Amino acid sequence: ETGVTQTPRHLVMGMTNKKSLKCEQHLGHNAMYWYKQSAKKPLELMFVYSLEERVENNSVPSRFSPECPNSSHLFLHLHTLQPEDSALYLCASSQDQSPYTQYFGPGTRLTVL
Amino acid sequence: QKEVEQDPGPLSVPEGAIVSLNCTYSNSAFQYFMWYRQYSRKGPELLMYTYSSGNKEDGRFTAQVDKSSKYISLFIRDSQPSDSATYLCAMSEEPGADDKIIFGKGTRLHILP
Repeated sequence: ETGVTQTPRHLVMGMTNKKSLKCEQHLGHNAMYWYKQSAKKPLELMFVYSLEERVENNSVPSRFSPECPNSSHLFLHLHTLQPEDSALYLCASSQDQSPYTQYFGPGTRLTVL
Repeated sequence: QKEVEQDPGPLSVPEGAIVSLNCTYSNSAFQYFMWYRQYSRKGPELLMYTYSSGNKEDGRFTAQVDKSSKYISLFIRDSQPSDSATYLCAMSEEPGADDKIIFGKGTRLHILP
């Protein structure tokens, strides 16, 4: 595997379900990010982890819970989501939080019923 | 007024034409400007970045920044069908822990063979 991988690529869940999105980076970077991409809206930064410490939490509802167990892995735990949370969730990594080295994964397309 | 404005398109041009993609912004403190390309069902990939005003060229791509007008452009020469994608502009004041990258909504580009 190379670059940034995300699983699953597609997820359909009910509002009462609990699920997790997984991201893995194979680039040796020390920062990882979760973004939300909704139709007709700009990319929204949700969380930033640098050296496994959370450095940014962009007023994201508590039904989204990130976890970064090491510099290569990032999770987004989901529970009691709303239909408006349906979107493409993108993971990215970079070196030293530089935007010029930021690589994105292919995303997880989430549908909340 | 939104921080970054970008026409969503779609923009359709014949193969071989010069493509011009643009963004305007309101925050005069932005200094770092980036263009991302996003193919369908993929994450964004960084195409080019520039600092402050001026031009930067990379192959068929040229990025221009006019800070006095708060206007940035991406030109694609000799456009190819493989250039068909969504192009996102992004900008920030300073790269790093305390700064956010603000994205435009993206412009969908179709190059017609």
